[in-house]
Amino acid sequence: DTGVSQNPRHKITKRGQNVTFRCDPISEHNRLYWYRQTLGQGPEFLTYFQNEAQLEKSRLLSDRFSAERPKGSFSTLEIQRTEQGDSAMYLCASSFEFLAEAFFGQGTRLTVV
Amino acid sequence: KNEVEQSPQNLTAQEGEFITINCSYSVGISALHWLQQHPGGGIVSLFMLSSGKKKHGRLIATINIQEKHSSLHITASHPRDSAVYICAVRSRETSGSRLTFGEGTQLTVNP
Repeated sequence: DTGVSQNPRHKITKRGQNVTFRCDPISEHNRLYWYRQTLGQGPEFLTYFQNEAQLEKSRLLSDRFSAERPKGSFSTLEIQRTEQGDSAMYLCASSFEFLAEAFFGQGTRLTVV
Repeated sequence: KNEVEQSPQNLTAQEGEFITINCSYSVGISALHWLQQHPGGGIVSLFMLSSGKKKHGRLIATINIQEKHSSLHITASHPRDSAVYICAVRSRETSGSRLTFGEGTQLTVNP
């Protein structure tokens, strides 16, 4: 297992287009988190899954954002009708148990032009 | 006021210097993390602490639960230590063990 994998690493899209990112967590990890990081800031929580259930969503996650983890393994984060303000690094992390250490992916950097 | 505050925001040091980065938080926590982020974005977990002190190579992390404060020390700093160091806490007051992050400290170590 090579750790948490995110694809693509970089995405440039035109305003108004839809984009989808994928996160493959470490295989035995049942918890998966999405965070967003804008330039010069620390990451901010977006949402998290325990297995296939999405248990919490941040206020940051507007109606244009949707996340799924259909079989409790990989997860996708979709942004519809992208806006320039969506430009950020989208980070995925996974952990095994409630208080276990989280492992992060390399992130997907989104640029909306 | 952010739940997690780091200082300094930026730090420049000469190779070999002893470095300290500070983190203060305002909530009850179950754990505190120190993370390292290199250009390109990937985050690596350095330490997870709930009490006391941990050491790994030239890195030392301490936490004082009563004072709600943690420090990350780097001894004999090296240019390859240049990165953003982020403090993050797992709050007892939120569900799901998600992390709340500080804004990070940009460390530059010059040769």
